[in-house]
Amino acid sequence: QLRLQESGPGLVKPSETLSLTCTVSGGSVSSSDYHWGWVRQPPGKGLEWIGSIYYTGSRSDNPSLKSRVTISVDTSKNLFSLRLSSVSATDTAVYYCAREMSGFGELDYWGQGILVTVSS
Amino acid sequence: SSELTQDPAVSVALGQTVKITCQGDSLRSYYASWYQQKPGQAPVFVMFGKNNRPSGIPDRFSGSSSGDTASLTITGAQAEDEADYYCHSRDSSGNHLIFGGGTKLTVL
Repeated sequence: QLRLQESGPGLVKPSETLSLTCTVSGGSVSSSDYHWGWVRQPPGKGLEWIGSIYYTGSRSDNPSLKSRVTISVDTSKNLFSLRLSSVSATDTAVYYCAREMSGFGELDYWGQGILVTVSS
Repeated sequence: SSELTQDPAVSVALGQTVKITCQGDSLRSYYASWYQQKPGQAPVFVMFGKNNRPSGIPDRFSGSSSGDTASLTITGAQAEDEADYYCHSRDSSGNHLIFGGGTKLTVL
């Protein structure tokens, strides 16, 4: 059974960089059938796609966040990561990692999510 | 357009049928997928493609699409179906993914 687990700091200061890791078990990030992505959800609001990456390193990012987002993949450790720079309070959200089916981009497996609060 | 539009809230009587819709230009080119989210939990993948249910999703859930509108139908809604439902697809460029704003389903 595929499992995704987010990890990282739950509190980040304004203007600093948010860094999260998603560790994948029960499957491989090197699979040619999937991309690996990040989604966030501010408290009480809807879902927002952040971006995704293929095992080759090919990426696609949300245009509204693109200049601040870096997604990377480490096939040797079977994980992928998110860095979001210059954060502000509006970046406070639950961050989910998910497996993205190549094709129409369906997100078939999700991590449990991690709340990241931006506050001094 | 790079938006998917959903009704903010819908209600259904227990055991009745409800249709949740999602409208967007990109749906003329790409199928929508649907996610159910209950409070404090991660979203769950419930529908994709023309009308495909992932393993473990009850057959009271079905999907359809026509023109720029995708729909998720629950036939015989149960109390446990009360949740937020989000549609999801590619944008018109095909290069990015987008979500609808979500529909809060109340089962009366």
